[in-house]
Amino acid sequence: GQQLNQSPQSMFIQEGEDVSMNCTSSSIFNTWLWYKQDPGEGPVLLIALYKAGELTSNGRLTAQFGITRKDSFLNISASIPSDVGIYFCAGQLGNQFYFGTGTSLTVIP
Amino acid sequence: GAVVSQHPSRVICKSGTSVKIECRSLDFQATTMFWYRQFPKQSLMLMATSNEGSKATYEQGVEKDKFLINHASLTLSTLTVTSAHPEDSSFYICSASRTGYGYTFGSGTRLTVV
Repeated sequence: GQQLNQSPQSMFIQEGEDVSMNCTSSSIFNTWLWYKQDPGEGPVLLIALYKAGELTSNGRLTAQFGITRKDSFLNISASIPSDVGIYFCAGQLGNQFYFGTGTSLTVIP
Repeated sequence: GAVVSQHPSRVICKSGTSVKIECRSLDFQATTMFWYRQFPKQSLMLMATSNEGSKATYEQGVEKDKFLINHASLTLSTLTVTSAHPEDSSFYICSASRTGYGYTFGSGTRLTVV
């Protein structure tokens, strides 16, 4: 199936730094979602976006639904050690649901 | 909320045997569930869409006879890996959709075939 292009593939940052990652697609989506996956666990929903241009926050996380409906961004402010994990974007169109390639985040205390 | 329970969390089986993985929506009814496979450090790849009361829809390249999916009720879908081989070892994850809650994932099943 289709996969969305997510970048960067991995990040190593110092605790307290801000993080930005993005996801792009050649297809238009009606919904963009961001998930975090811890090792050996299923993905957990962080933020859901339903409208082009929408900017939504969840604590230190902020995500935006791109105007073109083909991209989305996730920002994490003031990172902490528990932010470590793999972050996936996902685009939804009708009953079709596609994941990004993932961004592995390592936070150095 | 929307809780999806997946069982077992880990299973080790001998080559040639079959393994069944269960996915349950605990507090809602799911007419559609999804099964994914994930290799280490890679993204989730959709294997099939499980439809209650009808046949599953498989993604291209996924063997229907090897990965049997049954969605007998609105709260339960099962994935059976038949005649498992070492190359079937992977992390399998199910998900279900509930209006207002998006897609909720199970905690995954680590399958090791020896």
